[in-house]
Amino acid sequence: QQQVKQSPQSLIVQKGGISIINCAYENTAFDYFPWYQQFPGKGPALLIAIRPDVSEKKEGRFTISFNKSAKQFSLHIMDSQPGDSATYFCAALYSGGGADGLTFGKGTHLIIQP
Amino acid sequence: KAGVTQTPRYLIKTRGQQVTLSCSPISGHRSVSWYQQTPGQGLQFLFEYFSETQRNKGNFPGRFSGRQFSNSRSEMNVSTLELGDSALYLCASSPYSRNTEAFFGQGTRLTVV
Repeated sequence: QQQVKQSPQSLIVQKGGISIINCAYENTAFDYFPWYQQFPGKGPALLIAIRPDVSEKKEGRFTISFNKSAKQFSLHIMDSQPGDSATYFCAALYSGGGADGLTFGKGTHLIIQP
Repeated sequence: KAGVTQTPRYLIKTRGQQVTLSCSPISGHRSVSWYQQTPGQGLQFLFEYFSETQRNKGNFPGRFSGRQFSNSRSEMNVSTLELGDSALYLCASSPYSRNTEAFFGQGTRLTVV
């Protein structure tokens, strides 16, 4: 199965709080997991990415946690700011042949309340 | 460094017509991928080109096609447009032969009436 399931669909967090978005996959052949941020009218922008041999990766306020055995990964946004309000997509890249594009989750609409 | 440039930004076409969308990747990037984004289906992979060769194709009908030129610029074509083809079409370029570190353009908003 080349599916990535993302939750929640929408999320409201107070300014300064931690935003957490979760994704799960089934195909163990996925070997690259990026997160994208998309503002209205714009294309998705690459935020941060991780490979399965690493359990955590941090870049500024953004952290990916990866649980290989559970086939789950999550994005944590620390000290969330109103400017972080956007739609976030997790994705996975299949290491095998065939349709080797990114498989995206359905997205999480994040609102940071001031 | 200029980002991924897609033209046009907006298009309105009539059912049955065909359309060509253009994408200029980031300088030095040889991999170009195309995605369709709709509210219902989300982001779906169309196809990927590397060094003028289509290497991978998603689950879309043959009406969707593309090509890549020697300067890595890419075009996608949709023939016999259907109402359901209305979507945001996104192009992404990557410096690597796989789709890792893929950077997206702003997309072309296609409306079929």
